[in-house]
Amino acid sequence: DSGVTQTPKHLITATGQRVTLRCSPRSGDLSVYWYQQSLDQGLQFLIQYYNGEERAKGNILERFSAQQFPDLHSELNLSSLELGDSALYFCASNLGGVSTDTQYFGPGTRLTVL
Amino acid sequence: AQKVTQAQTEISVVEKEDVTLDCVYETRDTTYYLFWYKQPPSGELVFLIRRNSFDEQNEISGRYSWNFQKSTSSFNFTITASQVVDSAVYFCALSEAQGNTPLVFGKGTRLSVIA
Repeated sequence: DSGVTQTPKHLITATGQRVTLRCSPRSGDLSVYWYQQSLDQGLQFLIQYYNGEERAKGNILERFSAQQFPDLHSELNLSSLELGDSALYFCASNLGGVSTDTQYFGPGTRLTVL
Repeated sequence: AQKVTQAQTEISVVEKEDVTLDCVYETRDTTYYLFWYKQPPSGELVFLIRRNSFDEQNEISGRYSWNFQKSTSSFNFTITASQVVDSAVYFCALSEAQGNTPLVFGKGTRLSVIA
C-alpha cells in the first residue's frame, strides 16, 4: 500500500458526461501528479500541483481540469467525455521539494466511456 | 526532450530462469533520476528502485539487480530465479534531478513467468 488513495476505483459513464476523480496524497506529501494510461499512448503526464498551486502541465486536454485543495487532496475533472478518454487514471504524490523525490502511485481509477 | 525506450514489448520465461529488462534513455540534463516501476495484473504501479545519475554503482537487492551505464545511457533490470509472481508490466522512467519534474515513462515490458 503506497499510502495514496484514489476514488472511485471504477467509473462507467456515457459520452458527453462529466466526471470527477479524487486523490488523497500520502501523509506529508505536498505534490500531486496526475497521469493517464491508455493502450495507445502509454503512461502520459497530465498535470502537477504543489501545495495548492499548479506547477507543471503536460498533455492535458482543455476539457480536463484539476485542482488541489487546502487539505492537499486533488480532483481531476473530465468533461464532454469521448470514447477515447477511456483509460486508467493515476494519481501520484511526493514531498515535492527542490530535490527530486520518488513518486508513489495510487491504485488508479479505471474510466470507461460508453 | 527526455525519452525512455524499452525495446522489449513482451518477454516470456520459464520459472527459475534469469531475465533482464532493457531500458535506454535520452536526456540533455547532466543530472537526472532513473526509476523502475512494476505494474502487476491488479493494475497498481509499484515503485521498485530509484538511481541518480551520479551513482553508477550497480546494486543487488534480493533477486533484483540493476545495471546503470551512463556511457550507453542504459538502466537495465535483472530478475534472478524468476517466479510466477514476477509476472507484470515493468516500466522504466526518467526525471530531472531537481524540482520534482514529472516522470517520463517508457512503453513498458510485459513479463510472463510460466510455471
